[in-house]
Parts: sequence; C-alpha cells; structure tokens
Amino acid sequence: DIQMTQSPSSLSASVGDRVTITCQASQDIRKSLNWYQQKPGKAPELLIFDASNLEAGVTSRFTGRGSGTDFTLTISNLQPEDVATYYCQQYDNLPLFTFGPGTKVDI
Amino acid sequence: QVQLEQSGSEVKKPGASVKVSCRASGYTFTNYGISWVRQAPGQGLEWMGWISPYTGKTNYAQSVRDRVTMTTETSTSTAYMELRSLRSDDTAVYYCARVSLLHFDVWGQGSLVTVSS
Repeated sequence: DIQMTQSPSSLSASVGDRVTITCQASQDIRKSLNWYQQKPGKAPELLIFDASNLEAGVTSRFTGRGSGTDFTLTISNLQPEDVATYYCQQYDNLPLFTFGPGTKVDI
Repeated sequence: QVQLEQSGSEVKKPGASVKVSCRASGYTFTNYGISWVRQAPGQGLEWMGWISPYTGKTNYAQSVRDRVTMTTETSTSTAYMELRSLRSDDTAVYYCARVSLLHFDVWGQGSLVTVSS
C-alpha cells in the first residue's frame, strides 16, 4: 500500500506570510494527488486536484506543485480564514484512496 | 445547488450496527461515485470505501472491509453506509463525498456515530 506523510504536522505563522506544506508518497504516484482544507468543526473542502489544479472558487493564494513522490501546497499571503488542517490524498493506487496525516496551520 | 445531506447523530452499543444515509441533490446521482470517509475525535481523515451508484460496484478499505456495506437507492438519490459489529474505536464523524474524476468535490456535513456501552 502507498503511505503518505506530511510535514510539518503543525505550524504557526503570521498574517501575510507564505507557508509551504510538504506531502510525500512512499512510491511514485505521478500527479495523482489532491489537497483538502478542513476548518475546525467543518467538513473538508477540495482545494487542489491532480497535484496542481485549483478547484473552482478557491482563492489563487493556494498553489499546488509536485509529481512523483514529493508535493507541496503553498499558501501565499496567509489570512485568518486559512486557519485549518490541510490533508493530501493520493489516488494512484486505485481503487484505493489514502489521506496523509494532516498539517494544522495556526496564526 | 449540489448538496449532500446526511442523517443525524447516532449512539450505539458495542456490537450493534449503524446505517448512515447521504441524500444527493442538484446533480444526476448516477453520474458520480460516492465515497465514505470517517474522522475519529481529534484524528485525521480515513477513507472507508466508495460505490458507483450507476453500477453498484463497491471498493472498501482493508480496515473495514469485513464489517462495512455501502449501497445506493437511485430512486431517491441516496447512498447508505452500514457498519456492523461496532467497537468503541468506530466512534467518529462519518462523511459522504461525491467523487468527481478521482477527487472529492462535494462533502456532506458529517454524521457523528458514538459507540458506547
């Protein structure tokens, strides 16, 4: 099975900062990676699909990059509404999906 | 608009079963898969499985494969997830999500299942 890791597990930054979260797969997953944002007490929401494609309606302050085993999610100009936990998810090993452990972002 | 509306909270005893529903609206139900994801208190997201409402075909995660059944009722655009032989570590919020081209683009609000004696 493909294992997903994320780093850091949590971070604290200031409003206006640029923040980067890393997601690593245990084997090559090409670009088969999605990113989700989960705000406290809410359901997750899709941010990025296929490693780098911004979901409709999501602010362009979010950028996804990477392929193979190493991926990043960057939040530019961090805002208070970005406080959330961010999860990566692989789908290369169909029909199975796997989430990363999450990265909690605080301000 | 596209929505997934889930059933309410449940409290179950160990060994019992629970069936959570997820009613879809605003789109053609059979055109998209439905996946189920759970989240234990303070923990991350765990994918449980998915079902094609068009074919009825299912795929389950190894961790729940022996205890879970996912079904759909196309006449009411409703998906169901039944989990049997409940244990305390099944206490979690259970989410349904629409599967669109291998990403989960619409989520239900979540259903809390508490397993306690």
